[in-house]
Amino acid sequence: DIQMTQSPSSLSASVGDRVTITCQASQDITNYLNWYQQKPGKAPKLLIHDASNLETGVPSRFSGSGSGTDFTFTISSLQPEDIATYYCQQYNNLPWTFGQGTKVEIK
Amino acid sequence: QVQLQESGPGLVKPSQTLSLTCTVSGDSFSSGSYYWSWIRQPAGKGLEWIGRIYTSGSTNYNPSLKSRVTISVDTSRNQFSLKLSSVTAADTAIYYCAREVRVTGIHDYWGQGTLVTVSS
Repeated sequence: DIQMTQSPSSLSASVGDRVTITCQASQDITNYLNWYQQKPGKAPKLLIHDASNLETGVPSRFSGSGSGTDFTFTISSLQPEDIATYYCQQYNNLPWTFGQGTKVEIK
Repeated sequence: QVQLQESGPGLVKPSQTLSLTCTVSGDSFSSGSYYWSWIRQPAGKGLEWIGRIYTSGSTNYNPSLKSRVTISVDTSRNQFSLKLSSVTAADTAIYYCAREVRVTGIHDYWGQGTLVTVSS
């Protein structure tokens, strides 16, 4: 299985701050990476697909980049409604695997 | 608009079989463009992909669960189902059904999730 390692596991930032989360794959996954947002008690929601493509309707403050084994997810200006846990997911090889998640809180 | 809804017992005894059904509303179920997946999440932990089924009946399973998992489909009812045998407390989790867009690995629609507790 491809292991996905996210960091940090949690972070606290102020409203308006730039937030960056990294995701590292245990092998080359080209750009076969998606990012999801999960709010408490809710199902995950797709934000970004193919490493850098914003899903329709998702605010432009969210972005993704990277290829190969190293990927980055960024919130350019943190908003109160962005409080959630964020997961990366690879789809290069079955079984699909997720990172362990990054919990984002407001300072 | 696509909607998915999980149903099934919320409590299962150890060593028994967990059975869940996902009912899909909307007109995409038999379109051929999607897989239908199960994903679980233990309380306070991350997401684990269990497996998926195509409407032809073709399946893929997570090797870590493969010996205990069966996913089936009933296209006449727009439903797909999960059976997980020989459950233990480690199988206690929220179970989600989701739609996966073929070729992309994107899970674009999810059910609300259902908590299954394994306990005697």
